[in-house]
Amino acid sequence: GAGVSQTPSNKVTEKGKYVELRCDPISGHTALYWYRQSLGQGPEFLIYFQGTGAADDSGLPNDRFFAVRPEGSVSTLKIQRTERGDSAVYLCASSKDRIRSEVAFFGQGTRLTVV
Amino acid sequence: AQTVTQSQPEMSVQEAETVTLSCTYDTSESDYYLFWYKQPPSRQMILVIRQEAYKQQNATENRFSVNFQKAAKSFSLKISDSQLGDAAMYFCAYRTSSRGSQGNLIFGKGTKLSVKP
Repeated sequence: GAGVSQTPSNKVTEKGKYVELRCDPISGHTALYWYRQSLGQGPEFLIYFQGTGAADDSGLPNDRFFAVRPEGSVSTLKIQRTERGDSAVYLCASSKDRIRSEVAFFGQGTRLTVV
Repeated sequence: AQTVTQSQPEMSVQEAETVTLSCTYDTSESDYYLFWYKQPPSRQMILVIRQEAYKQQNATENRFSVNFQKAAKSFSLKISDSQLGDAAMYFCAYRTSSRGSQGNLIFGKGTKLSVKP
């Protein structure tokens, strides 16, 4: 596609429920990143994919968070047993490669609200 | 670990005037990349300008320019001839260039810029 697409745009869920957030990167981009942006903060790194594999998941806050990218394109961020503290905007970014000079392009994010 | 600090939570500028947003960072590396991203209410992070640390020349993009002071670890953004559409959150970000890096960005907390007509 022309840009990074994230769905849904907004998601409201009840505490304890399971949610999936989807990211469709720019076609041909092999590197994909997930970030979490809490209110009044800058985005914080969650996980990085190079192709199909999660090359770095050091930013995931705990084992309730998991992400996949089975075919090296679309990625899904999965959150189990959601808590109110998970409420944030989840941003996805992609770049041609992790080569240092490549610029990351961001989607519009998914605003997750846990009530 | 690298950190990025934006000390101005909010800034305001009159339309057509010039404003400078501050950013400092901490790193022990000599080669890295610095970015300014703009985030309007639509939430999408839009790249404004990029600076490569090994380049001494300050980057410019039309009305946007940076003052990169490597020794002081300072990377400020100057917006000239401010327009109403410049109103947004602005984030400074750092990216290492080390070979083992995954290339993720480290962001500051942002500066909210208001433009007065």
